[in-house]
Amino acid sequence: EAEVAQSPRYKITEKSQAVAFWCDPISGHATLYWYRQILGQGPELLVQFQDESVVDDSQLPKDRFSAERLKGVDSTLKIQPAELGDSAMYLCASSLRANTEAFFGQGTRLTVV
Amino acid sequence: DAKTTQPTSMDCAEGRAANLPCNHSTISGNEYVYWYRQIHSQGPQYIIHGLKNNETNEMASLIITEDRKSSTLILPHATLRDTAVYYCIGGSARQLTFGSGTQLTVLP
Repeated sequence: EAEVAQSPRYKITEKSQAVAFWCDPISGHATLYWYRQILGQGPELLVQFQDESVVDDSQLPKDRFSAERLKGVDSTLKIQPAELGDSAMYLCASSLRANTEAFFGQGTRLTVV
Repeated sequence: DAKTTQPTSMDCAEGRAANLPCNHSTISGNEYVYWYRQIHSQGPQYIIHGLKNNETNEMASLIITEDRKSSTLILPHATLRDTAVYYCIGGSARQLTFGSGTQLTVLP
């Protein structure tokens, strides 16, 4: 069964350092999402791509977060500099098209110390 | 997205049907009802979605009331592995707005 791949699975970083997460969506899925999930809460959308283009980044803290999907396949989410409040699970999801069901990866658990 | 209301937690005996309710009284005519679940420390897993008609797949059944103001997710024979947080979402797939969900605990 096809899956969304994410790496690393866990990441510990010091505050003010840079950190990056990688996501490989299900093959053929044009739409890719990054979500953030703080412990005890539901996931919140950070950014949505349609192929290589950003279609919604209204909830992305652009002063420190950036996301790219250069060739419209895999994607990278970067935080620079990391802050203590960024500790969370970062989830990637993909869907065949923008309005079809999304499938999630296992996430990257970030701890900022 | 429609605001949804779910019970905070529910228990179910193993082998029995688990019926998880969701209220989405503000859902608009073109918004779907999506259900996801999240087992501890894993990513959310898609279960099922529907617009007006009841839906069934290999995982669950979704019963949507005629006025579309509420729905029920049914796991016909719950197992211990169904213990998870279940999220009901009213909206479109492109903007899933997750609430706090229902913690379902399946008891042996």
